[in-house]
Amino acid sequence: DAGVTQSPTHLIKTRGQQVTLRCSPKSGHDTVSWYQQALGQGPQFIFQYYEEEERQRGNFPDRFSGHQFPNYSSELNVNALLLGDSALYLCASSLQGTQWGGQPQHFGDGTRLSIL
Amino acid sequence: DAKTTQPPSMDCAEGRAANLPCNHSTISGNEYVYWYRQIHSQGPQYIIHGLKNNETNEMASLIITEDRKSSTLILPHATLRDTAVYYCMAFGNEKLTFGTGTRLTIIP
Repeated sequence: DAGVTQSPTHLIKTRGQQVTLRCSPKSGHDTVSWYQQALGQGPQFIFQYYEEEERQRGNFPDRFSGHQFPNYSSELNVNALLLGDSALYLCASSLQGTQWGGQPQHFGDGTRLSIL
Repeated sequence: DAKTTQPPSMDCAEGRAANLPCNHSTISGNEYVYWYRQIHSQGPQYIIHGLKNNETNEMASLIITEDRKSSTLILPHATLRDTAVYYCMAFGNEKLTFGTGTRLTIIP
């Protein structure tokens, strides 16, 4: 049973460019969340997708956008890249349960994005 | 979401029980306590979660105080592979709010 998979594993971009990161959720999961983890910090919530719509958003600018496809996979897009966008980008999937908060999120190993 | 407080670092001898404390004094009644760990260069790994009752699974045990203001994660027989950063979180509103966690080092 495949867990959460993310691609690519590493990526190097220059300032001003745009990037797309991809995530396939764990089998049976229908909700995808994205997190940004700067070096030495804990992950910070970016946004969450369910039923192909953005349900929640953290404190990130509009340069960060996403999409969820009918097969539940998801993309994270970042425009006009800044040096400060260098980070590990993590995708987590979960099952939309009836018991609020009772369904754990499972993480992929992330995409390491470096901005030059 | 409730804030959590954890010691920045802890050491534990290999083979002994590792007890990781967490304070979450502002947790609301319907927020779960979640524990994750992150080994270098990997994504966070789910360990265990609970609401009111103590919980145990194949990885660890979670002890939640009766007033729910604090909890303890117990790794019963720590191994070198348990060296990681451990995050305690109050899970509310369907987004995980990570703090800085506890860096646990298992000493041979």
